[in-house]
Amino acid sequence: AQSVTQLGSHVSVSEGALVLLRCNYSSSVPPYLFWYVQYPNQGLQLLLKYTSAATLVKGINGFEAEFKKSETSFHLTKPSAHMSDAAEYFCAVSDPGSARQLTFGSGTQLTVLP
Amino acid sequence: ETGVTQTPRHLVMGMTNKKSLKCEQHLGHNAMYWYKQSAKKPLELMFVYNFKEQTENNSVPSRFSPECPNSSHLFLHLHTLQPEDSALYLCASSQPTVLNTEAFFGQGTRLTVV
Repeated sequence: AQSVTQLGSHVSVSEGALVLLRCNYSSSVPPYLFWYVQYPNQGLQLLLKYTSAATLVKGINGFEAEFKKSETSFHLTKPSAHMSDAAEYFCAVSDPGSARQLTFGSGTQLTVLP
Repeated sequence: ETGVTQTPRHLVMGMTNKKSLKCEQHLGHNAMYWYKQSAKKPLELMFVYNFKEQTENNSVPSRFSPECPNSSHLFLHLHTLQPEDSALYLCASSQPTVLNTEAFFGQGTRLTVV
């Protein structure tokens, strides 16, 4: 069985500061990993994905994430936060090769302070 | 615009009403999903359809009835709902293969049961 844990349901950063959102996964096989962003009253939008190629993955809006197998982590980072980054972020895992649907974490609400 | 369209965006219904949510995707995907997103809860997968066949029903009450007439359309029929069913209902689609399991989400229907 696969699962995702997002540490910190709420994270606040100042505008211009580093954004770090944590995600740890559990999977019996090498997983595919995803980060999604959700703005208020909107659906989820894919930010980036890891599918067993490069361990450092770059996504949209300046975000990137690094797959670390030894730590079973896939943390999301952005060097400099912008006010428009305020949203909820979801980490998700899927089991490649079995056509399984995604398993989502509980989400992290990011607040950006002026 | 993700290629997945949900209607209506907002719906208010009484507990004795019958209504339907509609989802349409123009991405050529073979899998479609219904998720429920309640406040302060993780995303809950409700139903999965692959090639128009229901492949998963995650213990969803019978007052929610899905229908998938073709691979581009997915409905969620609602009847005799309870106030705790108020939530954001998200539709998603994907083309689950060995290389690609990401899901594309609609903007959701905000349902309020009064």
